[in-house]
Amino acid sequence: NAGVTQTPKFRILKIGQSMTLQCTQDMNHNYMYWYRQDPGMGLKLIYYSVGAGITDKGEVPNGYNVSRSTTEDFPLRLELAAPSQTSVYFCASSGTVSSGANVLTFGAGSRLTVL
Amino acid sequence: EDQVTQSPEALRLQEGESSSLNCSYTVSGLRGLFWYRQDPGKGPEFLFTLYSAGEEKEKERLKATLTKKESFLHITAPKPEDSATYLCAVRGTSGSRLTFGEGTQLTVNP
Repeated sequence: NAGVTQTPKFRILKIGQSMTLQCTQDMNHNYMYWYRQDPGMGLKLIYYSVGAGITDKGEVPNGYNVSRSTTEDFPLRLELAAPSQTSVYFCASSGTVSSGANVLTFGAGSRLTVL
Repeated sequence: EDQVTQSPEALRLQEGESSSLNCSYTVSGLRGLFWYRQDPGKGPEFLFTLYSAGEEKEKERLKATLTKKESFLHITAPKPEDSATYLCAVRGTSGSRLTFGEGTQLTVNP
């Protein structure tokens, strides 16, 4: 059981380039999330999705876009990369919130550097 | 807006030296307080969920407790393998989103 898989693990971008961080989960979870984590900081929510075809903004959505065409996949698109987007990105998923658990399962992270 | 503050930012302990980490929170209607462990270069890993004041949960050397304003993660007789960053998060009635604190980096020296 793979859980949450993120690719790539590392990437260096030049200012103005675009890229997509891939995230897939095999737990049939409805909820999926993208967080960024800067050194010494907590996790900041970028975007989240409550199911296929439904996405919503988190705390820090500017400069990012997402889509959710299937239950399994939740890619994060960076358009016109900026140095401020240098960070570690984590994808996570969870089951139905009404169950009360809302326990997130995280991927291993994608470290992005924008130069 | 939900807020979570963790203290201390960093904590160094000797093996066997018990201590506690603090998580203070403000939330509109607590639906759950979560503790996660994060090892360097890895994603956070779930430890506990607490739902109401007075609740306690234990796992090996860790015990989490909850009051109406804060949660404590007690570490009894820690070992070097307990070294990690411990993250606290809350979910309020505002929805499915979690608000995370900045974490406490714990180092246990042998």
